[in-house]
Amino acid sequence: KNQVEQSPQSLIILEGKNCTLQCNYTVSPFSNLRWYKQDTGRGPVSLTIMTFSENTKSNGRYTATLDADTKQSSLHITASQLSDSASYICVVSDRGSTLGRLYFGRGTQLTVWP
Amino acid sequence: EADIYQTPRYLVIGTGKKITLECSQTMGHDKMYWYQQDPGMELHLIHYSYGVNSTEKGDLSSESTVSRIRTEHFPLTLESARPSHTSQYLCASSPPASGQGSNEQYFGPGTRLTVT
Repeated sequence: KNQVEQSPQSLIILEGKNCTLQCNYTVSPFSNLRWYKQDTGRGPVSLTIMTFSENTKSNGRYTATLDADTKQSSLHITASQLSDSASYICVVSDRGSTLGRLYFGRGTQLTVWP
Repeated sequence: EADIYQTPRYLVIGTGKKITLECSQTMGHDKMYWYQQDPGMELHLIHYSYGVNSTEKGDLSSESTVSRIRTEHFPLTLESARPSHTSQYLCASSPPASGQGSNEQYFGPGTRLTVT
């Protein structure tokens, strides 16, 4: 059973608009949460990372939030650009693994239209 | 940008062929991983390695095998490819765990495998 759920599954927006992607998780004990961007045919690239004590983190036009009590995170993209078209994956790490085990969501496929 | 490389990027082969997917990283990372990803689905861990001569199977059962003879190299081999092996294979590596950056994994560009 997937411990990281993302919504929506896909999203289409017009260039210049804002959007928010959601992530719910049940991974425990929680270590950190990352948002990755994966372009088609490429490997994921990390956008932000947040630990238990952080509730917001920005990286340019990307702002991630974390509510560790409700186990929810969001990724807000401001003033979208065509290059933002990609899959955005929520990844949660648990604290109990020496491997560094990651739990992946299925991603939200974002398409930005001109 | 992470220095982790995968070859080939795309591969189309016939059933029954033996293939090796290459993965190399120049960051000196001890931990390396192989993931399998189907379209619209999450990444599934199929193999990992803590270091030289260490290999373990991941969460998703796979008929592939891996080896880790050198720190920088983590190839994946399929002895007899089948259409069910058609997928994208992603290699990753991570540095030793340290504070907030612990468990950070750097991904290669992936190999898209099609078995006909």
